Amino acid sequence: GENVEQHPSTLSVQEGDSAVIKCTYSDSASNYFPWYKQELGKGSQLIIDIRSNVGEKKDQRIAVTLNKTAKHFSLHITETQPEDSAVYFCAATDRMYSGGGADGLTFGKGTHLIIQP
Amino acid sequence: KAGVTQTPRYLIKTRGQQVTLSCSPISGHRSVSWYQQTPGQGLQFLFEYFSETQRNKGNFPGRFSGRQFSNSRSEMNVSTLELGDSALYLCASRWATNEKLFFGSGTQLSVL
Repeated sequence: GENVEQHPSTLSVQEGDSAVIKCTYSDSASNYFPWYKQELGKGSQLIIDIRSNVGEKKDQRIAVTLNKTAKHFSLHITETQPEDSAVYFCAATDRMYSGGGADGLTFGKGTHLIIQP
Repeated sequence: KAGVTQTPRYLIKTRGQQVTLSCSPISGHRSVSWYQQTPGQGLQFLFEYFSETQRNKGNFPGRFSGRQFSNSRSEMNVSTLELGDSALYLCASRWATNEKLFFGSGTQLSVL
């Protein structure tokens, strides 16, 4: 089955600096890679995702890159702000397009991002 | 549009007891998935239901079970609780099984 490794487990950056979280996956058939942000007392929110036919995707200060050859994908947050402090999870699945037979996403273990004022 | 609602938010049980957690998906969503989150293991998939049928199951013992009702609401049951079952249990819904997941805030279960 799929195995997703996420690093680092904790990341502390100064407000205004950039943060990068990296994930690797094992199953070359994986075709969908979402990132979730979990804040204390709140559910996990999907913040950005990328499909295997795309190498990079941006949404304002957030971007995700995918390297299918190396089987890794990364989350980039620029100009970090205090509200970016949260736990971030990456995930992968090969079933995004199957239309049925729903395997769950395989998640990384999370990165606790701390934004220092 | 209301999000995914999980009840209760917190639960304290003792070993050997059983517990039922509830999840109401986003209106119109027919798929409900359950995940267990622990500091050591991260998020692990339990099972997914779609139109009242279990579509897939993760690698958890038979003490973990679930069901989905005709209104798409789902319940998860854990019998004969063990200390290691202490975790945050997250429910997620989506319109179809190949669409994006939306998570609830979770139920924090503590087993004493």
